[in-house]
Amino acid sequence: DTGVSQDPRHKITKRGQNVTFRCDPISEHNRLYWYRQTLGQGPEFLTYFQNEAQLEKSRLLSDRFSAERPKGSFSTLEIQRTEQGDSAMYLCASSSGGGRANYGYTFGSGTRLTVV
Amino acid sequence: TQLLEQSPQFLSIQEGENLTVYCNSSSVFSSLQWYRQEPGEGPVLLVTVVTGGEVKKLKRLTFQFGDARKDSSLHITAAQTGDTGLYLCAGVGGTSYGKLTFGQGTILTVHP
Repeated sequence: DTGVSQDPRHKITKRGQNVTFRCDPISEHNRLYWYRQTLGQGPEFLTYFQNEAQLEKSRLLSDRFSAERPKGSFSTLEIQRTEQGDSAMYLCASSSGGGRANYGYTFGSGTRLTVV
Repeated sequence: TQLLEQSPQFLSIQEGENLTVYCNSSSVFSSLQWYRQEPGEGPVLLVTVVTGGEVKKLKRLTFQFGDARKDSSLHITAAQTGDTGLYLCAGVGGTSYGKLTFGQGTILTVHP
C-alpha cells in the first residue's frame, strides 16, 4: 500500500467554477477525514466518514461543499461556485478503528486549491 | 468547542540548541498527537500519547502528556537542520471518533 493518495496535487480555478478532489485512503482503513489548511494555520476538520456513512460535518462545510464515499472506499470532495476564500490546502486522512479506538492515522499530501 | 493553543508560533535557533514547544487547552483530550509537516506536503505523525503523565521518546525528541490530559510538550535536544519544519499538536476529544483538533503550529527553523 502506498499510503493515502490525493488527486490532483494542485488545482487553479476561476471564481464561480466547480471543482472536485479525490482521496484514496489506505485500503484497510474504515475511517476517512477531510481537513482544510490555510497558510500559517493548523488543519481544520471538515467531515468524517465511517465506511460509506458520513457521520459528522463541520459548520465550516457550507452548502457549496459536498463529500461522498461510495462503497466505503475512495472519497470525493466537491466545491460548487468556488470563492476566493476557498483557496487552501485540502487534506484527506484515513485511519482504522471502532468507537474511541483509532489507529494508523495517515494524511495524504493534499490538494492545493487556488481560486483566481 | 475544543481549542489547542500552541506556542511559540515561530522558533529560530542554531544547530545544537535545545527547544521546547508547548500545546495547551482548557479541554481534556482522550489522546494527543504530534505531527511534522513539510511545505506542500501533508502532516506526518510523530507520536500519539494517551495516558496522563505519559512520556515518549523518539531519538532526540521527547513528548510529554500532562497529568490532566489538557496539555503536552515536545522537547528537541541538540536540534539539527533536518528538524526544520512545521510542528503541529492535535487532540482527539472524548466524544469524537478520531476527529482531530489542531493547534496553530510552530514553525521551527534550525540554522547551521
